[in-house]
Amino acid sequence: EAQVTQNPRYLITVTGKKLTVTCSQNMNHEYMSWYRQDPGLGLRQIYYSMNVEVTDKGDVPEGYKVSRKEKRNFPLILESPSPNQTSLYFCASRGGFSTDTQYFGPGTRLTVL
Amino acid sequence: KNQVEQSPQSLIILEGKNCTLQCNYTVSPFSNLRWYKQDTGRGPVSLTIMTFSENTKSNGRYTATLDADTKQSSLHITASQLSDSASYICVVSVPGNLIFGKGTKLSVKP
Repeated sequence: EAQVTQNPRYLITVTGKKLTVTCSQNMNHEYMSWYRQDPGLGLRQIYYSMNVEVTDKGDVPEGYKVSRKEKRNFPLILESPSPNQTSLYFCASRGGFSTDTQYFGPGTRLTVL
Repeated sequence: KNQVEQSPQSLIILEGKNCTLQCNYTVSPFSNLRWYKQDTGRGPVSLTIMTFSENTKSNGRYTATLDADTKQSSLHITASQLSDSASYICVVSVPGNLIFGKGTKLSVKP
């Protein structure tokens, strides 16, 4: 079954404690991205990757890092989380063409105290 | 500035009725326009993808239209079901990025 998985699904942490949210896809997709979704603001892109070792900033990259060492994995790293990073996070992937369907993961609800 | 505006923000309809959701965009250059359905607490699921040259695309009871001249799109839902209750998000693709609307929250009541 084609899918994008994220872990953990829920996380409560404290300010400054480094964390990583993992994302994996089984569709051999080239393009992967991370979004955050906040009430009233919709989905906003954090980072994206067009292939292995190729990453670029989206609209709201501050406070986040990513890496793409393998095609299937695209982890999101918060080196020093702050309360304004409390949000619902989605990972997504699609093939190489702009008209390819984009598949979203189930989401990670992060709370930073 | 690239923007995608959706209306209405929310909508309540009775089961079995039809409804139409609107999307206006000021995005350039335009690659394609997508509609997603997002159930509460879940990831968005793709309904349709339309390129510049397409003006209608259907997916079951969902029909999307696109007028690239006026930069407007609509999503028509026919014979609504309780399971259609969700947020519907219009997304316009530009090279390297997707511009998301804030969504229309649809509630279908029995």
